[in-house]
Amino acid sequence: GAVVSQHPSWVICKSGTSVKIECRSLDFQATTMFWYRQFPKQSLMLMATSNEGSKATYEQGVEKDKFLINHASLTLSTLTVTSAHPEDSSFYICSAGQRDNEQYFGPGTRLTVT
Amino acid sequence: QKEVEQDPGPLSVPEGAIVSLNCTYSNSAFQYFMWYRQYSRKGPELLMYTYSSGNKEDGRFTAQVDKSSKYISLFIRDSQPSDSATYLCAMRFTGGGNKLTFGTGTQLKVEL
Repeated sequence: GAVVSQHPSWVICKSGTSVKIECRSLDFQATTMFWYRQFPKQSLMLMATSNEGSKATYEQGVEKDKFLINHASLTLSTLTVTSAHPEDSSFYICSAGQRDNEQYFGPGTRLTVT
Repeated sequence: QKEVEQDPGPLSVPEGAIVSLNCTYSNSAFQYFMWYRQYSRKGPELLMYTYSSGNKEDGRFTAQVDKSSKYISLFIRDSQPSDSATYLCAMRFTGGGNKLTFGTGTQLKVEL
Protein backbone atom coordinates (compact mmCIF):
# COMPACT_ATOMS: atom_id res chain seq x y z
CA GLY A 1 0.00 0.00 0.00
CA ALA A 2 0.89 3.65 -0.28
CA VAL A 3 3.26 4.97 2.36
CA VAL A 4 3.33 8.46 3.79
CA SER A 5 6.05 9.55 6.17
CA GLN A 6 6.31 12.49 8.53
CA HIS A 7 9.32 14.05 10.14
CA PRO A 8 9.91 14.62 12.95
CA SER A 9 7.69 12.23 14.88
CA TRP A 10 7.99 14.31 18.03
CA VAL A 11 9.30 17.80 18.58
CA ILE A 12 9.60 20.00 21.64
CA CYS A 13 10.18 23.69 21.13
CA LYS A 14 10.17 26.86 23.17
CA SER A 15 7.39 29.38 22.95
CA GLY A 16 8.01 31.93 20.22
CA THR A 17 10.08 29.70 17.97
CA SER A 18 9.02 28.17 14.65
CA VAL A 19 8.77 24.49 13.84
CA LYS A 20 8.71 22.80 10.43
CA ILE A 21 7.04 19.43 9.87
CA GLU A 22 7.62 17.47 6.67
CA CYS A 23 5.18 15.12 4.96
CA ARG A 24 6.39 12.83 2.19
CA SER A 25 4.63 10.34 -0.06
CA LEU A 26 7.23 7.63 -0.50
CA ASP A 27 5.93 5.48 -3.33
CA PHE A 28 3.43 7.61 -5.19
CA GLN A 29 2.95 11.13 -6.41
CA ALA A 30 0.41 13.07 -4.39
CA THR A 31 -1.47 15.79 -6.21
CA THR A 32 -3.11 16.79 -2.96
CA MET A 33 -1.92 16.72 0.62
CA PHE A 34 -3.96 17.54 3.68
CA TRP A 35 -2.92 18.74 7.10
CA TYR A 36 -4.92 17.81 10.18
CA ARG A 37 -4.73 18.59 13.84
CA GLN A 38 -5.91 16.19 16.52
CA PHE A 39 -6.39 16.84 20.22
CA PRO A 40 -6.41 13.93 22.71
CA LYS A 41 -9.46 11.68 22.31
CA GLN A 42 -10.86 13.88 19.58
CA SER A 43 -11.25 13.41 15.87
CA LEU A 44 -9.12 14.90 13.15
CA MET A 45 -9.69 18.54 12.35
CA LEU A 46 -8.77 19.53 8.81
CA MET A 47 -6.53 22.59 8.80
CA ALA A 48 -5.72 23.03 5.13
CA THR A 49 -5.59 21.44 1.72
CA SER A 50 -2.34 21.67 -0.20
CA ASN A 51 -2.09 21.24 -3.95
CA GLU A 52 1.28 20.91 -5.63
CA GLY A 53 2.45 24.18 -7.10
CA SER A 54 -0.37 26.31 -5.76
CA LYS A 55 -1.32 28.08 -2.55
CA ALA A 56 -2.90 26.06 0.21
CA THR A 57 -6.59 26.37 0.99
CA TYR A 58 -7.20 26.92 4.69
CA GLU A 59 -10.27 25.92 6.64
CA GLN A 60 -12.29 28.54 8.41
CA GLY A 61 -10.68 29.62 11.65
CA VAL A 62 -7.16 28.45 10.76
CA GLU A 63 -4.61 31.28 10.66
CA LYS A 64 -2.73 30.99 7.39
CA ASP A 65 0.03 33.30 8.59
CA LYS A 66 0.63 31.10 11.59
CA PHE A 67 0.44 27.74 9.85
CA LEU A 68 2.49 28.08 6.67
CA ILE A 69 2.06 25.30 4.16
CA ASN A 70 4.29 24.65 1.19
CA HIS A 71 3.75 21.89 -1.39
CA ALA A 72 6.82 22.29 -3.56
CA SER A 73 6.74 18.88 -5.23
CA LEU A 74 4.42 15.92 -5.80
CA THR A 75 6.04 14.05 -2.93
CA LEU A 76 6.66 16.71 -0.29
CA SER A 77 4.57 19.15 1.70
CA THR A 78 5.70 21.09 4.75
CA LEU A 79 3.81 22.71 7.61
CA THR A 80 5.58 25.45 9.53
CA VAL A 81 4.10 26.54 12.83
CA THR A 82 5.36 30.08 13.29
CA SER A 83 5.84 31.74 16.66
CA ALA A 84 4.53 28.65 18.41
CA HIS A 85 2.69 28.95 21.71
CA PRO A 86 1.67 26.28 24.24
CA GLU A 87 -1.87 26.22 22.82
CA ASP A 88 -0.37 25.03 19.51
CA SER A 89 0.73 21.82 21.23
CA SER A 90 -1.09 19.04 19.45
CA PHE A 91 -0.80 16.01 17.20
CA TYR A 92 -0.37 17.06 13.56
CA ILE A 93 -1.14 14.53 10.85
CA CYS A 94 -0.77 14.82 7.11
CA SER A 95 -2.40 12.74 4.43
CA ALA A 96 -1.69 12.38 0.74
CA GLY A 97 -3.78 11.25 -2.16
CA GLN A 98 -4.28 11.31 -5.87
CA ARG A 99 -7.31 12.81 -7.52
CA ASP A 100 -10.48 10.91 -6.57
CA ASN A 101 -8.50 8.19 -4.84
CA GLU A 102 -8.01 7.16 -1.25
CA GLN A 103 -6.13 9.30 1.23
CA TYR A 104 -3.21 7.76 3.06
CA PHE A 105 -2.13 9.16 6.38
CA GLY A 106 1.28 9.77 7.84
CA PRO A 107 2.17 8.57 11.34
CA GLY A 108 1.72 12.01 12.85
CA THR A 109 3.97 14.54 14.58
CA ARG A 110 3.56 15.35 18.23
CA LEU A 111 4.35 19.00 18.92
CA THR A 112 4.95 20.19 22.45
CA VAL A 113 5.52 23.90 23.00
CA THR A 114 6.97 24.83 26.38
CA GLN B 1 -25.95 19.00 14.23
CA LYS B 2 -22.69 17.48 13.05
CA GLU B 3 -22.50 16.24 9.49
CA VAL B 4 -21.26 12.86 10.69
CA GLU B 5 -22.27 11.34 14.02
CA GLN B 6 -20.37 8.53 15.68
CA ASP B 7 -20.67 7.16 19.20
CA PRO B 8 -17.31 7.81 20.88
CA GLY B 9 -17.61 4.78 23.16
CA PRO B 10 -15.58 3.36 24.76
CA LEU B 11 -16.82 -0.01 23.60
CA SER B 12 -15.46 -3.04 25.43
CA VAL B 13 -15.96 -6.58 24.10
CA PRO B 14 -14.51 -10.01 24.88
CA GLU B 15 -12.06 -11.60 22.48
CA GLY B 16 -13.84 -13.45 19.68
CA ALA B 17 -16.93 -11.24 19.75
CA ILE B 18 -18.48 -9.65 16.70
CA VAL B 19 -18.10 -5.89 16.86
CA SER B 20 -20.49 -3.47 15.20
CA LEU B 21 -19.42 0.12 14.69
CA ASN B 22 -21.74 2.70 13.16
CA CYS B 23 -21.96 6.21 11.79
CA THR B 24 -24.88 8.30 10.64
CA TYR B 25 -24.65 11.30 8.39
CA SER B 26 -26.88 14.10 7.25
CA ASN B 27 -25.61 15.04 3.78
CA SER B 28 -27.02 12.79 1.08
CA ALA B 29 -24.35 14.00 -1.35
CA PHE B 30 -21.68 11.84 0.30
CA GLN B 31 -20.73 9.07 -2.11
CA TYR B 32 -17.51 7.58 -0.79
CA PHE B 33 -17.30 5.99 2.64
CA MET B 34 -14.23 4.91 4.54
CA TRP B 35 -13.25 3.32 7.81
CA TYR B 36 -9.91 4.09 9.39
CA ARG B 37 -8.25 2.45 12.38
CA GLN B 38 -6.07 4.59 14.60
CA TYR B 39 -3.83 3.27 17.32
CA SER B 40 -2.82 5.59 20.12
CA ARG B 41 -0.39 8.28 18.96
CA LYS B 42 -0.34 6.95 15.41
CA GLY B 43 -1.80 8.12 12.13
CA PRO B 44 -5.06 6.62 10.85
CA GLU B 45 -4.81 3.48 8.72
CA LEU B 46 -7.31 2.90 5.92
CA LEU B 47 -9.32 -0.29 6.52
CA MET B 48 -12.23 -0.16 4.12
CA TYR B 49 -13.20 2.05 1.19
CA THR B 50 -16.62 1.79 -0.42
CA TYR B 51 -18.53 3.69 -3.04
CA SER B 52 -22.28 4.29 -2.73
CA SER B 53 -24.52 1.66 -1.12
CA GLY B 54 -23.74 -1.99 -0.55
CA ASN B 55 -21.42 -4.31 1.30
CA LYS B 56 -17.72 -4.92 1.08
CA GLU B 57 -15.81 -7.66 2.83
CA ASP B 58 -12.10 -7.94 3.53
CA GLY B 59 -11.00 -10.74 5.83
CA ARG B 60 -12.60 -10.23 9.23
CA PHE B 61 -13.94 -6.82 8.27
CA THR B 62 -17.23 -6.03 6.53
CA ALA B 63 -18.35 -2.54 5.64
CA GLN B 64 -21.99 -1.75 4.91
CA VAL B 65 -23.45 1.42 3.45
CA ASP B 66 -27.17 2.19 3.46
CA LYS B 67 -27.56 5.50 1.69
CA SER B 68 -31.35 5.50 2.04
CA SER B 69 -30.92 5.58 5.82
CA LYS B 70 -27.69 7.61 5.74
CA TYR B 71 -26.09 4.92 7.89
CA ILE B 72 -22.81 3.07 7.56
CA SER B 73 -21.43 0.19 9.58
CA LEU B 74 -18.21 -1.70 10.11
CA PHE B 75 -18.36 -5.26 11.43
CA ILE B 76 -15.35 -7.00 12.89
CA ARG B 77 -15.62 -10.78 13.26
CA ASP B 78 -13.58 -12.84 15.69
CA SER B 79 -12.27 -9.72 17.34
CA GLN B 80 -8.72 -9.81 18.70
CA PRO B 81 -6.94 -7.75 21.36
CA SER B 82 -4.88 -6.26 18.50
CA ASP B 83 -8.12 -4.74 17.17
CA SER B 84 -8.18 -2.44 20.20
CA ALA B 85 -7.97 1.03 18.70
CA THR B 86 -10.08 4.00 17.72
CA TYR B 87 -12.17 3.50 14.59
CA LEU B 88 -12.99 6.56 12.52
CA CYS B 89 -15.58 6.71 9.80
CA ALA B 90 -15.02 9.21 7.02
CA MET B 91 -16.86 10.21 3.90
CA ARG B 92 -16.59 12.54 0.94
CA PHE B 93 -18.38 13.81 -2.11
CA THR B 94 -17.57 12.93 -5.69
CA GLY B 95 -14.87 15.34 -6.76
CA GLY B 96 -14.51 17.94 -4.04
CA GLY B 97 -10.78 17.50 -4.04
CA ASN B 98 -10.78 14.39 -1.85
CA LYS B 99 -11.72 16.38 1.24
CA LEU B 100 -12.89 14.01 3.98
CA THR B 101 -15.44 14.58 6.71
CA PHE B 102 -14.72 12.47 9.79
CA GLY B 103 -16.78 11.09 12.61
CA THR B 104 -15.48 11.60 16.12
CA GLY B 105 -14.18 8.02 16.31
CA THR B 106 -15.22 5.06 18.47
CA GLN B 107 -12.72 3.71 20.97
CA LEU B 108 -12.77 -0.09 20.98
CA LYS B 109 -11.17 -2.39 23.53
CA VAL B 110 -11.07 -6.11 22.98
CA GLU B 111 -10.35 -7.93 26.23
CA LEU B 112 -8.82 -11.34 26.75
